[in-house]
Amino acid sequence: SQQGEEDPQALSIQEGENATMNCSYKTSINNLQWYRQNSGRGLVHLILIRSNEREKHSGRLRVTLDTSKKSSSLLITASRAADTASYFCATGGFGNEKLTFGTGTRLTIIP
Amino acid sequence: SQTIHQWPATLVQPVGSPLSLECTVEGTSNPNLYWYRQAAGRGLQLLFYSIGIDQISSEVPQNLSASRPQDRQFILSSKKLLLSDSGFYLCVGQLGEAFFGQGTRLTVV
Repeated sequence: SQQGEEDPQALSIQEGENATMNCSYKTSINNLQWYRQNSGRGLVHLILIRSNEREKHSGRLRVTLDTSKKSSSLLITASRAADTASYFCATGGFGNEKLTFGTGTRLTIIP
Repeated sequence: SQTIHQWPATLVQPVGSPLSLECTVEGTSNPNLYWYRQAAGRGLQLLFYSIGIDQISSEVPQNLSASRPQDRQFILSSKKLLLSDSGFYLCVGQLGEAFFGQGTRLTVV
């Protein structure tokens, strides 16, 4: 079963705008990760946030984590056409924690 | 660094034919290994999970099976493919951080 549910399922924005994707999960976590998938190919790791962190930045990416609400958000600022992809949150994946992906958000950046 | 070799990248198979997808791990030992499937435009569904040789957990009932005959070898199989088996199959390793194969796009015709 899916650990994470993401919304929206699909998002289309104009180039230059900010894109926000949300992820909710069900069980307690030690960390949460965000991945990008281009055109149904392999996944690229974007950023990891630990359960004791509330916010993390990496370039144009900003991730927040609210463990009380079991939710996370990924913000991409100043979007570019190359950001068009599917984005997945995932929990686990360390030690013996099973890696479980959310349902994903398909992001389309309109030039 | 740890890597996963997964092949082939694309595969077209007729309904009723057998399937064998293999991924091999390099650069590490005793990783947890996963097979995921992604239907067109959908999320990643966990199919099988392995913590060691010959130790396989099946997450969903289906037409597929998995085996791990060696520590670094994880095989996804089917005796008779169905149309609904079409999708993108991804092998993932986990030892500390997760690491990914490039996936196989399977089309059953």
